This record gives sequence, C-alpha cells and structure tokens, in this order.
Amino acid sequence: DAGVTQSPTHLIKTRGQQVTLRCSPKSGHDTVSWYQQALGQGPQFIFQYYEEEERQRGNFPDRFSGHQFPNYSSELNVNALLLGDSALYLCASSFPWGQYNEQFFGPGTRLTVL
Amino acid sequence: EDQVTQSPEALRLQEGESSSLNCSYTVSGLRGLFWYRQDPGKGPEFLFTLYSAGEEKEKERLKATLTKKESFLHITAPKPEDSATYLCAVQDRAAGANNLFFGTGTRLTVIP
Repeated sequence: DAGVTQSPTHLIKTRGQQVTLRCSPKSGHDTVSWYQQALGQGPQFIFQYYEEEERQRGNFPDRFSGHQFPNYSSELNVNALLLGDSALYLCASSFPWGQYNEQFFGPGTRLTVL
Repeated sequence: EDQVTQSPEALRLQEGESSSLNCSYTVSGLRGLFWYRQDPGKGPEFLFTLYSAGEEKEKERLKATLTKKESFLHITAPKPEDSATYLCAVQDRAAGANNLFFGTGTRLTVIP
C-alpha cells in the first residue's frame, strides 16, 4: 500500500522564479492538504483540495496556488519566489470531511530560494 | 484564534528514563487532537488521534491522554530510537475547519 509521495525531493530556485511541487495521495484518500514548515517550526496550513476544488485556505498570499487532478493527485504552485519561501513543503492526504480525520504526510519537498 | 503550545521545547532523557511531553491548546470547539512524530528532514508520522476529554491511547512505549485544556504524551522507558520531534496539532470544529493547527514541537533526545 503506497503512502503519500511527493516530488521532487529537493529544489533550488532564485528569487522571482516560479515552482511547481507534486503530490500523490495515499491509496483510498481523495483529499489533499498542503503545509509549509519553516526550520524549527510546526507545519502551517496552506490549502486543502477535495473534488478538484480548493475547499479551505490558510493565511497565505495568492502567490500560492494549487490544483487537484481527477486521479486525486495535486500540485502546489508558488509564483514570484521570495527568500522567505524557503521551507519544507508537506503534502498530506486524508478521507474527506466528515469521515476519519487523520492526515497522513508525505516525505516533503525541500525548497531553497537563493 | 486557535493556539497550541508545546513544552518543553527540548528534552534530553537517559535510556529508560520515563517522562511526559505537554500540549496545551485553545480552540473554539475541539474536533480532534493529533500527535505526530517527525524525524529530521522527513514528513510527520501519525501516532494518535484523541477526540474527547478522558480519552487515552497507547502504542508501544507511548501513551497519549487528553483533558479539556491539554494533552500529554507519556514515554515509558524510552530507547534511543524514540529520539525525534513530537508535534501536537488540533482540528477546530469552527466554520467547518478540518485543517491541522500545529504547535512548534518538542525535540526529544534519548541518550544510550
């Protein structure tokens, strides 16, 4: 049973560039959430996708956008990168709202912005 | 606004020395409280979900408990492989929120 997978593992970008991160959910899950984790901090919620729509959003600017595909996989896009966007980006999958609440995380993508 | 405070920030234990980690929380209405383990550079690994005060769950050397204001993660006779950062998170019933709101974690080191 495959868990949550993310790609790439690491990325190095320069300020102003754009980046796309990818996530495949755990088998049987159809809800995907994205989190940003700065060094030494807990993960912070970016947004959640269910049925190919953004259902909920945290306190992140519009530079952060996403997409969910019919096979439930998801992408996180960040435009106009800032130095402060350097972080571990985590994808988590779960059953939809109203069912089991546990969210299972992938290994993350380490983004470095120079 | 939701708030999760974990203490201590860091904890060093001798192998076999039992202790507890604390997670204090403030939410409008608790939907669930979650404990995760995170190794350096990796994603959080799910440990427990607690839903109501008085609930307890156990897994190997770990036991999680919940009151109306805080949760404890008790570690009995820890081993070096228990060294990790332990994260606490809450889900708030308000406005249908099912995102996780995390604390900053407790970094546990178990010395052989």
